[in-house]
Amino acid sequence: DGGITQSPKYLFRKEGQNVTLSCEQNLNHDAMYWYRQDPGQGLRLIYYSQIVNDFQKGDIAEGYSVSREKKESFPLTVTSAQKNPTAFYLCATRQVSTDTQYFGPGTRLTVL
Amino acid sequence: ILNVEQSPQSLHVQEGDSTNFTCSFPSSNFYALHWYRWETAKSPEALFVMTLNGDEKKKGRISATLNTKEGYSYLYIKGSQPEDSATYLCASPKAGTALIFGKGTTLSVSS
Repeated sequence: DGGITQSPKYLFRKEGQNVTLSCEQNLNHDAMYWYRQDPGQGLRLIYYSQIVNDFQKGDIAEGYSVSREKKESFPLTVTSAQKNPTAFYLCATRQVSTDTQYFGPGTRLTVL
Repeated sequence: ILNVEQSPQSLHVQEGDSTNFTCSFPSSNFYALHWYRWETAKSPEALFVMTLNGDEKKKGRISATLNTKEGYSYLYIKGSQPEDSATYLCASPKAGTALIFGKGTTLSVSS
């Protein structure tokens, strides 16, 4: 929201297929994050990037990959190695001056 | 792994009631404590970022306190309104800027 767009809003994938979730921001924030939410769970960190061309694994990175070629973009690829990919995925950025994270509207991924 | 715990898991109050929730976190290596509000069909929205022991922050009818020595924060809502219905998340960063979130407290306010 407010400068962060995620697409698509809903995504359906067949088992065994890779799929890429888009996250774009125009807030000029250096740091970007990917979280996953499952029912009854908090937001869990998948990957984060503090600067262009650099990224770090979060707590549940297995089966996911990311790239950070541009400041504005931090796409997340859900690979066929991710055993349970059906979830709600949120992208966020961080404003350094206030140490506040701003979130996108999310993508709901369903594996058929 | 840093564990951030929230209680209760859910709460239902009547309009006009005041309420509070708890967030607990490890007190060692404390950096900051964040509170977010997540309304249905919207994105999580930042409420407070707290860093100092004894800190108290306020935003309208919502306020929060922080005790870093014992590792807890309280979020208070005075005179709850239906528009306060949401999931309230707290989070604390581990090393670096990555946040570890609690599972949230879901508040439902009926009129």
